Amino acid sequence: KQEVTQIPAALSVPEGENLVLNCSFTDSAIYNLQWFRQDPGKGLTSLLLIQSSQREQTSGRLNASLDKSSGRSTLYIAASQPGDSATYLCAVQERDDKIIFGKGTRLHILP
Amino acid sequence: GAVVSQHPSRVICKSGTSVKIECRSLDFQATTMFWYRQFPKQSLMLMATSNEGSKATYEQGVEKDKFLINHASLTLSTLTVTSAHPEDSSFYICSYAYNRASFYNEQFFGPGTRLTVL
Repeated sequence: KQEVTQIPAALSVPEGENLVLNCSFTDSAIYNLQWFRQDPGKGLTSLLLIQSSQREQTSGRLNASLDKSSGRSTLYIAASQPGDSATYLCAVQERDDKIIFGKGTRLHILP
Repeated sequence: GAVVSQHPSRVICKSGTSVKIECRSLDFQATTMFWYRQFPKQSLMLMATSNEGSKATYEQGVEKDKFLINHASLTLSTLTVTSAHPEDSSFYICSYAYNRASFYNEQFFGPGTRLTVL
């Protein structure tokens, strides 16, 4: 059974710092991996999608990597800003469409 | 964690017909629920947000008259795709959430419904 774990559960960093969020999954037979952000009371906002054949994806200050063999993904946020404060969710999708979400990392950027 | 069910898990229909997808939270009463869809090789995208006692709020580009959301109760919501067309073929997922300290706005997702419109 696929399990997705995100570490740390919460993180506070000063504005301007670069940071890394971690995601691990137990079954490497995934179709893709997705990173989302969630703001309080809001739905998920898609950040990056990495297909199983890809190693990384970049969007602006965000970079996500995928190492299927080790069951790991990282989300790198460069030059963090207070607006980056949110909960970040990692999710893996299996070939039968099933999506398994991690519990998320609550990120707080200190002004 | 909480359990959310969706029905049907898969549906194939002819173009022009309407399809209803049910989403139920089985063990808690949610104040907010969300509908998402995922097109092939794309990420999950939010379609609409529905708060208890309010009409659904649709994301830009999502036609509210085509995707009818009925938040019938705190445990049941339906998404009806009216006059479905092949471009509506997608994977639809619902989620429930409620703000409570112990859950911190955690969302609980249904298993999804694969809609194929011929």
